[in-house]
Amino acid sequence: EAQVTQNPRYLITVTGKKLTVTCSQNMNHEYMSWYRQDPGLGLRQIYYSMNVEVTDKGDVPEGYKVSRKEKRNFPLILESPSPNQTSLYFCASSSGGLAGLSDTQYFGPGTRLTVL
Amino acid sequence: GENVEQHPSTLSVQEGDSAVIKCTYSDSASNYFPWYKQELGKGPQLIIDIRSNVGEKKDQRIAVTLNKTAKHFSLHITETQPEDSAVYFCAVLTNTGNQFYFGTGTSLTVIP
Repeated sequence: EAQVTQNPRYLITVTGKKLTVTCSQNMNHEYMSWYRQDPGLGLRQIYYSMNVEVTDKGDVPEGYKVSRKEKRNFPLILESPSPNQTSLYFCASSSGGLAGLSDTQYFGPGTRLTVL
Repeated sequence: GENVEQHPSTLSVQEGDSAVIKCTYSDSASNYFPWYKQELGKGPQLIIDIRSNVGEKKDQRIAVTLNKTAKHFSLHITETQPEDSAVYFCAVLTNTGNQFYFGTGTSLTVIP
């Protein structure tokens, strides 16, 4: 089954404790992206990747890091989480990329993060 | 960056009636406009999209219209059903072709 998976689905942590949210897709998609969803603000793009080893900042990248060492994986790293990073996070992928973004985004099920 | 505004934020309709959600955007060079449906506890799912070279697209009970001159696009759902109840998001792909900007969402409730 074609899908985007995220782990963990729920996470409660404390300020300053490094964490990683994993994202994996099995559709051989070039383009991958991370979003955060907050009430009244919709989805905001954090980082995106057009292909392996190609990443770029989205609208709200502060406090986050990403890496794209393999085509299928795109982990989101919070080196020193803070309470304002409490949010619902979504990973997405599409068949676009360096060849041109031309297809629908498939979203993962979401990761609900709480930073105390 | 792109500025996407979505209205209304909440919408209640009787089953069988139509629902319309509108989005405006700021960058006239943007060229791809998808609509997503998000059910409770799930990720957004594409329901319909339109590209800048087309003015209207229809898929059964769902249609999207695009007015490039006025920089707005709308989602139309006809003959609404209770299972249409969800949060709907519009999105815009920037002219660089690699960044998406989303509207703030519309919570649609279809009353049986």
